[in-house]
Amino acid sequence: SAVISQKPSRDICQRGTSLTIQCQVDSQVTMMFWYRQQPGQSLTLIATANQGSEATYESGFVIDKFPISRPNLTFSTLTVSNMSPEDSSIYLCSVEDQRGGLDTQYFGPGTRLTVL
Amino acid sequence: AQSVAQPEDQVNVAEGNPLTVKCTYSVSGNPYLFWYVQYPNRGLQFLLKYITGDNLVKGSYGFEAEFNKSQTSFHLKKPSALVSDSALYFCAVRDAYSSASKIIFGSGTRLSIRP
Repeated sequence: SAVISQKPSRDICQRGTSLTIQCQVDSQVTMMFWYRQQPGQSLTLIATANQGSEATYESGFVIDKFPISRPNLTFSTLTVSNMSPEDSSIYLCSVEDQRGGLDTQYFGPGTRLTVL
Repeated sequence: AQSVAQPEDQVNVAEGNPLTVKCTYSVSGNPYLFWYVQYPNRGLQFLLKYITGDNLVKGSYGFEAEFNKSQTSFHLKKPSALVSDSALYFCAVRDAYSSASKIIFGSGTRLSIRP
């Protein structure tokens, strides 16, 4: 399976600032996903990021608030802009590993964000 | 539309006893079904999946799950629980016939194994 790393692992930020989260994969993948998870709760998909095209955002998430870059097949960034305490959450990067079929998603370790 | 339900927020089991974490699903076509585990302060780890074939699927750490089409269920099981199995477990589903379908996660079940 793909090995996924995220940076930073955690951060504490001030209201009104922005944070960019990096996701690095050890193999080339077509589809990358960004999720948000409140501690102990389920995952909410923010957007799907495919290389060479604009990210596709889910209902309730907009590009101005969560801009995403996907410059190549092994890397993506998610920016949380103009943060408020409501943005405090765990942000997870995920990839769909095409080895063995287009079916299984693997996850990075997550970025725990606290906004004061 | 596809959906997945985990009816139990928490499951408590004594170490050495068998465990079951329940999951039911709904898809318009055939399902791809998954179980993930999340340990404290970690990301989700893939445990096992059902795509097609044998209804009993074996995965990591001694876990297995049984696909039951008539009951639309995919319960996670382990014959003998370990304290280290204590974690948050997520069931997930996607529609096998739709390449554009997204994976949908259940609400999660917290498994607590007491020594």
